Amino acid sequence: DTAVSQTPKYLVTQMGNDKSIKCEQNLGHDTMYWYKQDSKKFLKIMFSYNNKELIINETVPNRFSPKSPDKAHLNLHINSLELGDSAVYFCASMPGTNTGELFFGEGSRLTVL
Amino acid sequence: EDKVVQSPLSLVVHEGDTVTLNCSYEVTNFRSLLWYKQEKKAPTFLFMLTSSGIEKKSGRLSSILDKKELFSILNITATQTGDSAIYLCAVEVWGAQKLVFGQGTRLTINP
Repeated sequence: DTAVSQTPKYLVTQMGNDKSIKCEQNLGHDTMYWYKQDSKKFLKIMFSYNNKELIINETVPNRFSPKSPDKAHLNLHINSLELGDSAVYFCASMPGTNTGELFFGEGSRLTVL
Repeated sequence: EDKVVQSPLSLVVHEGDTVTLNCSYEVTNFRSLLWYKQEKKAPTFLFMLTSSGIEKKSGRLSSILDKKELFSILNITATQTGDSAIYLCAVEVWGAQKLVFGQGTRLTINP
């Protein structure tokens, strides 16, 4: 059973389009994240939700809108895609007791042409 | 601003060699330091360190933390080609419930 799953795994789209990436975790964790990994493999936090509530928004452009319908799901919608949005987007979760360990999904590679 | 810096950025060695990867940090409120290994897809957890001077070991991998000098090292002995990966260091900031990552070290083990 996959603990943190993301869809789609690959996404190729044109500039200006709108796209969504979905994430689900079956670990019962309270906190979920979106991280962006650029071409140099640098992982940078974008958003964090704890039990459906936004707790971290790291100065991400407002073209990016996360949505958490329940604590097991955290989706990412991106409007008006730009070339610089091309990256791998990782969803992750952390137990509510905050052990510090992140459990990552397999990533969604977004390519904007 | 919280910062994690890894060195070297890239390392190429021969199978059987021993390697040491470095991670230094400057954060407002340190809680723990974690090491992850990333092969083709998702980073996978290796170690979490909270106390200075206590070595954590898993097979040929080991890691130690120095909270006074604000750094950690990850050692891999008798390297194998399967150790080729990007090794990521991250620091957990107390109260913020987030990990701040370094830029990673790309390790290549040649046969």
